[in-house]
Amino acid sequence: AQSVAQPEDQVNVAEGNPLTVKCTYSVSGNPYLFWYVQYPNRGLQFLLKYITGDNLVKGSYGFEAEFNKSQTSFHLKKPSALVSDSALYFCAVRDRGSTLTFGKGTMLLVSP
Amino acid sequence: NAGVTQTPKFQVLKTGQSMTLQCAQDMNHEYMSWYRQDPGMGLRLIHYSVGAGITDQGEVPNGYNVSRSTTEDFPLRLLSAAPSQTSVYFCASSRSWEFTGELFFGEGSRLTVL
Repeated sequence: AQSVAQPEDQVNVAEGNPLTVKCTYSVSGNPYLFWYVQYPNRGLQFLLKYITGDNLVKGSYGFEAEFNKSQTSFHLKKPSALVSDSALYFCAVRDRGSTLTFGKGTMLLVSP
Repeated sequence: NAGVTQTPKFQVLKTGQSMTLQCAQDMNHEYMSWYRQDPGMGLRLIHYSVGAGITDQGEVPNGYNVSRSTTEDFPLRLLSAAPSQTSVYFCASSRSWEFTGELFFGEGSRLTVL
C-alpha cells in the first residue's frame, strides 16, 4: 500500500527566511507527487506536482519542491517565507493505477 | 465558473439519522471523489467515481453510499449517522482519472453527529 509521511506536525520560520516542509513517500510504481495548501476553513488548493523529468519543480506562490528518488522524498521549499504563507500543507502520492493518498499535514507558521 | 460546490456547509445530526451531502461541479470533470478530514489523520478517501454511472470504494467507505447519475453531481449519503462520522467532508474533482492528483476541492461540509 502506498503511504506518505510528513514528520513534522508544525514548522516555524521567520518572515524572509527560507522554509522547508518535509515529505517522504512509499509507492509500488513510479511516484506521482503533489503538494496542496489549506487555509483556515477552506478547501485544499493544488500547489505543484512531480510526474517525471526535472527533479526540481516550481509551483504557485513561489513554492518549489525537490524530488529525491534515492531518499524517497519530496520536500517543499520556498526561498523567502511570507506571513501569508502560514497554512496547513499536505503532501500526496499516487502511482499510475491508484487513487491519491495524503499525508497528515504540516502546519506552517511564519512569524513577522 | 463556480468550481466545486458543496452543501450544506454545516450540519448537526443525531445518531441514527440519515442525510445527504451534495456536491456539484461545473467544470465537466470526469473524476469526482469524497474525502473526510479528521485532526491528525489528514484526508482519507471515502468513495470516488471515474465517470457517470461508475463508483468505487476508497479507504473508509463503511457507512456511506454514493451514486453518479450525471457528470456534474456526486452526492454522499450517510445511511445511519454515528458519532465516529463527525468530521469535515470534502468533495474534489479532476479532469479525469489520469489527473487524479490535480484535484479541485469544494469548501467543505462540517458534520457533527450527537
